Amino acid sequence: GAVVSQHPSWVICKSGTSVKIECRSLDFQATTMFWYRQFPKQSLMLMATSNEGSKATYEQGVEKDKFLINHASLTLSTLTVTSAHPEDSSFYICSAPQATNEKLFFGSGTQLSVL
Amino acid sequence: QKEVEQDPGPLSVPEGAIVSLNCTYSNSAFQYFMWYRQYSRKGPELLMYTYSSGNKEDGRFTAQVDKSSKYISLFIRDSQPSDSATYLCAMRRSNYQLIWGAGTKLIIKP
Repeated sequence: GAVVSQHPSWVICKSGTSVKIECRSLDFQATTMFWYRQFPKQSLMLMATSNEGSKATYEQGVEKDKFLINHASLTLSTLTVTSAHPEDSSFYICSAPQATNEKLFFGSGTQLSVL
Repeated sequence: QKEVEQDPGPLSVPEGAIVSLNCTYSNSAFQYFMWYRQYSRKGPELLMYTYSSGNKEDGRFTAQVDKSSKYISLFIRDSQPSDSATYLCAMRRSNYQLIWGAGTKLIIKP
């Protein structure tokens, strides 16, 4: 299957700082990428759809100014958690569809812990 | 009512047993059906991808879709301890946005 690389795999930061998470499609181009959030023992919750060259589309209840998404190229999307607080601590996962077979592939996830 | 229902488990079976995981859904517009495996603190890994009704086999895994009953299944034969994980069903219409089940935690006991 296709490879989606996500970094970092875990990050610990102080409250009030910003954290950037990168998602790269390594062997295919992705005009669209998805960002999910997952709490322990729960399923994935879609946060936003990242579109290359245009603004991201956010799901209801997700703060645009808190979770900044940039999709500057066909292989890279970034999620920046701005002024992080402890309630932002969660597991964040990106995914990208491979257009040739319409399958969604996921990154390995980023565990964010805000102290 | 959720669009996709999946028993969260946990489901515990002995090694070598046949495992049956299931999801039901309410939206008849779903066309694509997937099963993902997720290990703790890892991203989901695509196991099976099916379109419309029928069976699809890949090694020890068989995915089954019954659109008339709005019911999908994943069977795992000769289960191994390494199969212990959370299994998520997902489905979608024509776009890429997935609707997820809650995930079933599977435990294979040696």
